Amino acid sequence: DTAVSQTPKYLVTQMGNDKSIKCEQNLGHDTMYWYKQDSKKFLKIMFSYNNKELIINETVPNRFSPKSPDKAHLNLHINSLELGDSAVYFCASSAWLAGQSSYNEQFFGPGTRLTVL
Amino acid sequence: GNSVTQMEGPVTLSEEAFLTINCTYTATGYPSLFWYVQYPGEGLQLLLKATKADDKGSNKGFEATYRKETTSFHLEKGSVQVSDSAVYFCALSAPNTGNQFYFGTGTSLTVIP
Repeated sequence: DTAVSQTPKYLVTQMGNDKSIKCEQNLGHDTMYWYKQDSKKFLKIMFSYNNKELIINETVPNRFSPKSPDKAHLNLHINSLELGDSAVYFCASSAWLAGQSSYNEQFFGPGTRLTVL
Repeated sequence: GNSVTQMEGPVTLSEEAFLTINCTYTATGYPSLFWYVQYPGEGLQLLLKATKADDKGSNKGFEATYRKETTSFHLEKGSVQVSDSAVYFCALSAPNTGNQFYFGTGTSLTVIP
């Protein structure tokens, strides 16, 4: 029944480790996103994929690499984790509205709280 | 460019008080406008939206009207409840931007009994 799901919900790890966060949507959407939310609740877009193709790639360290094996999945891999990577990471998805030149609302996952020690 | 400016928080209100959270935007073309709500420990949920000028979005007693002349989309509720305590985000989706959404900085609302 879940529309956008993320695993894990919590991730605690040491500096220097490599970790992945998985995201899946069952809404049939063609576009997926990754956002980072800092401790002040500020949301920053990181990446966007449309039909498995990278569309948005904001200024994000190369240590972050998204991978979209199919339209329903967008995973985020992070190498050499740093203290500043601690945040909540949200996955989202949206659909293209036929006949319009902008997108419909984005549907968000529950978030993954990453803590780097 | 495209951007959203949102009222700074935090906002603290007593139950049954009137709520206004201001949101203004800058956009190329004719954007769609949204309000999202984030309850503690959860993801963002769509609260309401408006896709063209003078449209009014409404949901759960909240309302916002798309005002092109003032480039605004202020969120209002006549009588807030404790359960409305959350962070509220204004956002826009502009045409021809590669499906990018632009979010405001969020406004934290606390409603006290």
